[in-house]
Amino acid sequence: DQQVKQNSPSLSVQEGRISILNCDYTNSMFDYFLWYKKYPAEGPTFLISISSIKDKNEDGRFTVFLNKSAKHLSLHIVPSQPGDSAVYFCAAFISNFGNEKLTFGTGTRLTIIP
Amino acid sequence: DGGITQSPKYLFRKEGQNVTLSCEQNLNHDAMYWYRQDPGQGLRLIYYSQIVNDFQKGDIAEGYSVSREKKESFPLTVTSAQKNPTAFYLCASSIFGDANNSPLHFGNGTRLTVT
Repeated sequence: DQQVKQNSPSLSVQEGRISILNCDYTNSMFDYFLWYKKYPAEGPTFLISISSIKDKNEDGRFTVFLNKSAKHLSLHIVPSQPGDSAVYFCAAFISNFGNEKLTFGTGTRLTIIP
Repeated sequence: DGGITQSPKYLFRKEGQNVTLSCEQNLNHDAMYWYRQDPGQGLRLIYYSQIVNDFQKGDIAEGYSVSREKKESFPLTVTSAQKNPTAFYLCASSIFGDANNSPLHFGNGTRLTVT
């Protein structure tokens, strides 16, 4: 049972435009969410996180939005750059639990078209 | 330069053989983890360890074994009992166990192919 879902396996966006990656979750107990970015043949790297007490968190070109009632979060990248081409994983957990309870989505492959 | 080193990058084995994947970190992190990534699936936790000489099963531990004799090292053995061992294996570490304050740092992975 996939508790964290990324329904779009892939997404292509023109350079300079906005990339929006989506993530849905089913467990209402999740209250902390993270995005990881992964290049081919490398491990994922932490990108940005958000707590359920917020509905938005920004870090430079990256913004994560959280809609708790819809159990939905999204990652916005503006403007998109070629180096953003990677696989993006969202992950969720219940705060104060350990990393071993982190649940990952299946990933979305983002391709930025020059 | 601190980080997590996984070796080898590619590994090929015959069916029925045990194989050990190496993971070393020099980040002085207490917690270490092994994940498996398969196409179309999220990362799935195999084993984790929060302190030396202690480790716990993750969601898909069957057919795997680990040891944590040193803080820096967390090797994973894929045994012949693992039915579908061909996958991309990722080792990770974190300062503490709690995910709020301590995001995972990942190694670059080992791609294991068993034929």
